[in-house]
Amino acid sequence: QVQLQESGPGLVKPSETLALTCGVSGVSIGSDYWNWIRQSPGKGLEWVGNIYYSGNFRQNPSLTSRVTISVDASKNQCSLKLDSVTAADTALYFCASGNLDLWGQGILVTVSS
Amino acid sequence: QPVLTQPPSASASLGASVTLTCSLSSGYSAFEVVWIQQRPGKGPRFVMRVGPGGIVGSKGDDIPDRFSVLGSGLNRYLAIKNIQEEDESDYHCGTEHGSAKVFGGGTKLTVL
Repeated sequence: QVQLQESGPGLVKPSETLALTCGVSGVSIGSDYWNWIRQSPGKGLEWVGNIYYSGNFRQNPSLTSRVTISVDASKNQCSLKLDSVTAADTALYFCASGNLDLWGQGILVTVSS
Repeated sequence: QPVLTQPPSASASLGASVTLTCSLSSGYSAFEVVWIQQRPGKGPRFVMRVGPGGIVGSKGDDIPDRFSVLGSGLNRYLAIKNIQEEDESDYHCGTEHGSAKVFGGGTKLTVL
């Protein structure tokens, strides 16, 4: 059974970097591409970016080049970094498979001093 | 890129039927859409993918037969028959442009 599990700090200070990891089990991370998606409190889903096994990643242009996504094949995981966070980046962050047919449970990240 | 429009809310009585709509912006009538269910306090769950000709691929794990989809023009529909209490959820639709994903605002389904 394929499972995705997000992990990382639940609290980040303004202007610092948010760093999250998505652990993939049950399938090789090289078998698909992987998305990061977030949901601000009471809002809809917002695509953050995605990454292919090759290392090429795309980000939502609205995030003004603050996003870095990487893959660690040895650990079967992908990672998200979001620089210079503000309160507007407070959200539930999910990782999901390329076609959105598999999702993690999500992790709540709050940006606050 | 495409824009997806969903009504913010819908309601139906227990045991009744409801159809949720996801509308693609003009020019994107060939696009497929994914329906995602999100129960209160839970993570998203894939329901199924729908194109202009109907379902694409298979339903998500443990999605009941009561759920079906239809595609027509710019609209992608999720129909639920014999609604149960556990169907009360937010339903999101999403599509892709290149590999970038786009989501609608979501519809909150209330079971009366």
